[in-house]
Amino acid sequence: DSGVTQTPKHLITATGQRVTLRCSPRSGDLSVYWYQQSLDQGLQFLIHYYNGEERAKGNILERFSAQQFPDLHSELNLSSLELGDSALYFCASSGNRGSYNEQFFGPGTRLTVL
Amino acid sequence: AQKVTQAQTEISVVEKEDVTLDCVYETRDTTYYLFWYKQPPSGELVFLIRRNSFDEQNEISGRYSWNFQKSTSSFNFTITASQVVDSAVYFCALSETPYNTDKLIFGTGTRLQVFP
Repeated sequence: DSGVTQTPKHLITATGQRVTLRCSPRSGDLSVYWYQQSLDQGLQFLIHYYNGEERAKGNILERFSAQQFPDLHSELNLSSLELGDSALYFCASSGNRGSYNEQFFGPGTRLTVL
Repeated sequence: AQKVTQAQTEISVVEKEDVTLDCVYETRDTTYYLFWYKQPPSGELVFLIRRNSFDEQNEISGRYSWNFQKSTSSFNFTITASQVVDSAVYFCALSETPYNTDKLIFGTGTRLQVFP
């Protein structure tokens, strides 16, 4: 158990809908990262938050947004969903910006868009 | 540009064979970190090792060993005496030094199947 929790574990929805994925980092970790794993794109970095502040964006679509709350949990919002958004979404957390601690990954949320 | 290449898409071995998973990386930075993660069939990503660019010492952990060679930009992973439980997808990843983020750039993964 990495200590990172993600809910829900599975999500099935329809095209055009909006969903919210939730992540709670390990206790004390200030950084939260979101990654998408799909068959065609592999594992891709989406976005990084540190202590509530956005630090970096990767290949994140404009239909997607994220935030990190004062209690350090994070949410990834996916809107106007398309079939191609079906993927496994991982959240990871790490301790301190710049210290290059390994990132601990949550179990992932499997999103299926029908 | 940052890039990680895992040329081996899938490897199949029989139990007790040794197997090496290749990883080649590209970066313009002189300081960077390399990682290996394991993704078993259950789907989670399990951290295996982190190596910084200034430490070229090989590392051994039980049946696992890693060979880092800056001259060839490679960070290969060897499993000795493989076991069925080693069956998984293995990802190599790169993290460059501070641009305010430790984001990971992953390779495409190598699926290892170990048959009894």
